[in-house]
Amino acid sequence: GNSVTQMEGPVTLSEEAFLTINCTYTATGYPSLFWYVQYPGEGLQLLLKATKADDKGSNKGFEATYRKETTSFHLEKGSVQVSDSAVYFCALSDLSSGGSNYKLTFGKGTLLTVNP
Amino acid sequence: DTEVTQTPKHLVMGMTNKKSLKCEQHMGHRAMYWYKQKAKKPPELMFVYSYEKLSINESVPSRFSPECPNSSLLNLHLHALQPEDSALYLCASSRLPTGNSNQPQHFGDGTRLSIL
Repeated sequence: GNSVTQMEGPVTLSEEAFLTINCTYTATGYPSLFWYVQYPGEGLQLLLKATKADDKGSNKGFEATYRKETTSFHLEKGSVQVSDSAVYFCALSDLSSGGSNYKLTFGKGTLLTVNP
Repeated sequence: DTEVTQTPKHLVMGMTNKKSLKCEQHMGHRAMYWYKQKAKKPPELMFVYSYEKLSINESVPSRFSPECPNSSLLNLHLHALQPEDSALYLCASSRLPTGNSNQPQHFGDGTRLSIL
């Protein structure tokens, strides 16, 4: 079956530090990969996505590259801000899973806290 | 601002009450979803509607009853809930899968439900 493994944290950084949150996956087919962010008291927001190998998703200074050879989709940002403090979820959906086309498989989430 | 609107934002109910959660989207998405999220956990899929028809029920207890009256609305009817059903209930919507890639899901901010 499909699975997503991400570093659970919590991760605490100072403002302007470099961020990496690791995410690796297992899938039976050719998944689409996503990063979602959840700010306190809110729902999930799509941060970025990639649909095929070597695609790079980017948004708001965050980037992640779909690496099929290492089955990874690590999230990076060069300089974090206090406002980036949130929970980050790596997720995949796999079209080859028959009736599971609509299912998102989530990692457990990583809590990021950025201090001024 | 989220494009998926959920009401109410907070709901407190007794175990014998009947209440409904509502979700609305105007993005033309034909797939809609209900998720349950416990604290510090990723969302868990409950139901999926495709073209207003129920396509996935993840073995959810019958005290949760979904309804999709039209392509923009999704309801979740609640009856005789248990304290362990207290959680954040998230609605999401997406385009249907196209070609070789799945479509990202767009989430509302959720309804925080407390069962007394």
